Amino acid sequence: EVQLVESGGTLIQPGGSLRLSCAASGFTFSNSWMTWVRQAPGKGLEWVACIKEDGSQQYYVDSVKGRFTISRDNAKNSLDLQMNSLRAEDTAMYYCARGGSYGYSWGQGTLVTVST
Amino acid sequence: EIVLTQSPATLSLSPGERATLSCRASQSVSTSLGWYQQKPGQAPRLLIYDSSNRATGIPARFSGSGSGTDFTLTISSLEPEDFAVYYCQQRGNWPRTFGPGTKVDIK
Repeated sequence: EVQLVESGGTLIQPGGSLRLSCAASGFTFSNSWMTWVRQAPGKGLEWVACIKEDGSQQYYVDSVKGRFTISRDNAKNSLDLQMNSLRAEDTAMYYCARGGSYGYSWGQGTLVTVST
Repeated sequence: EIVLTQSPATLSLSPGERATLSCRASQSVSTSLGWYQQKPGQAPRLLIYDSSNRATGIPARFSGSGSGTDFTLTISSLEPEDFAVYYCQQRGNWPRTFGPGTKVDIK
């Protein structure tokens, strides 16, 4: 069974940095593109970033380019999202998902709140 | 960036009725469009990929169609567990984008 477990979400001040992680199991992680999607409270889904199986390609939505970095450790079956220069509008539930075309499997999310 | 619009924003129906949800893309995505269901407090679940292919374990009452810029998700006969928000998402271009969602609620 595919399992994706996100962690690292918390309350953080504007301008701060935070690293989210996603632990994967139940599938061959090193053969899978991986994606981060976020959802602001009461709002719709927003695709954030995606990384190729071997980490050689990354794609980002414009609003996070230069601030967020997606990375992976295939030896540890782990996906990360480094978030810098956080803004109030980054407040959201952050989901990791298996796949680069579609989110075939999803974790339950980790909540990031950017506020004073 | 490809913009997806969904209509209607809310669809009020009764169990057993047929639901027809629309998604329109700002430019052609061929058949590179999927649909998700999301219930309150839960992660999204992939229903349909590449316009018309049901994801693993998805009941046959869910079907998708369309190509180019116009797509439809049909639920042939609503079950109580189908009342939820539905999102379309394109994979035709980077960045991937989602539509704003259609809420299917109980009439």
